[in-house]
Amino acid sequence: QKEVEQNSGPLSVPEGAIASLNCTYSDRVSQSFFWYRQYSGKSPELIMSIYSNGDKEDGRFTAQLNKASQYVSLLIRDSQPSDSATYLCAVNPFSGGYNKLIFGAGTRLAVHP
Amino acid sequence: DTAVSQTPKYLVTQMGNDKSIKCEQNLGHDTMYWYKQDSKKFLKIMFSYNNKELIINETVPNRFSPKSPDKAHLNLHINSLELGDSAVYFCASSQDRVRYGYTFGSGTRLTVV
Repeated sequence: QKEVEQNSGPLSVPEGAIASLNCTYSDRVSQSFFWYRQYSGKSPELIMSIYSNGDKEDGRFTAQLNKASQYVSLLIRDSQPSDSATYLCAVNPFSGGYNKLIFGAGTRLAVHP
Repeated sequence: DTAVSQTPKYLVTQMGNDKSIKCEQNLGHDTMYWYKQDSKKFLKIMFSYNNKELIINETVPNRFSPKSPDKAHLNLHINSLELGDSAVYFCASSQDRVRYGYTFGSGTRLTVV
């Protein structure tokens, strides 16, 4: 089982719709969770972080965390063509006492006009 | 001001050569990382340094040798390059506890021919 799993997509949504991106992780003691956006040929850019169960909203983005189900998601409201990118879920498993991020393989999102 | 800068951006070289990639961060972060992103866009951690000390070495071939002269710099030297080393290499930095995620450099696209 991979440590962080994401559906590779592509997830195709019409402009203005809600895009829902999902991620599951295997290490129960994971402490912090992140969503990165990566445009083609560019570096990953941090868009959301979440540490506690529940929802966290920032503009059009909402991150949701359920530690019991080992599940984290990202909702993008009013999707725009500029949101078309690969979204990477990252988890800090805190294994061995050292901090590092384990990334999922990413979900490609395509927002069409 | 670029927060995490990598050089070079592109590197094309022949099998068997030795090459280096340099990384510098001006964020005052304690920890720096090297990640490899393969053709399937999967980001995998290679090394991590905390205040010039190697703290993570993720089963990377001995041909890869990181060096951190100070906490703002982390270089990657690769000996005897192989075709399979072709990838994008990202440098990143974070505060020690990774609570705020990473900041990534712009990446170095290495092509071994």
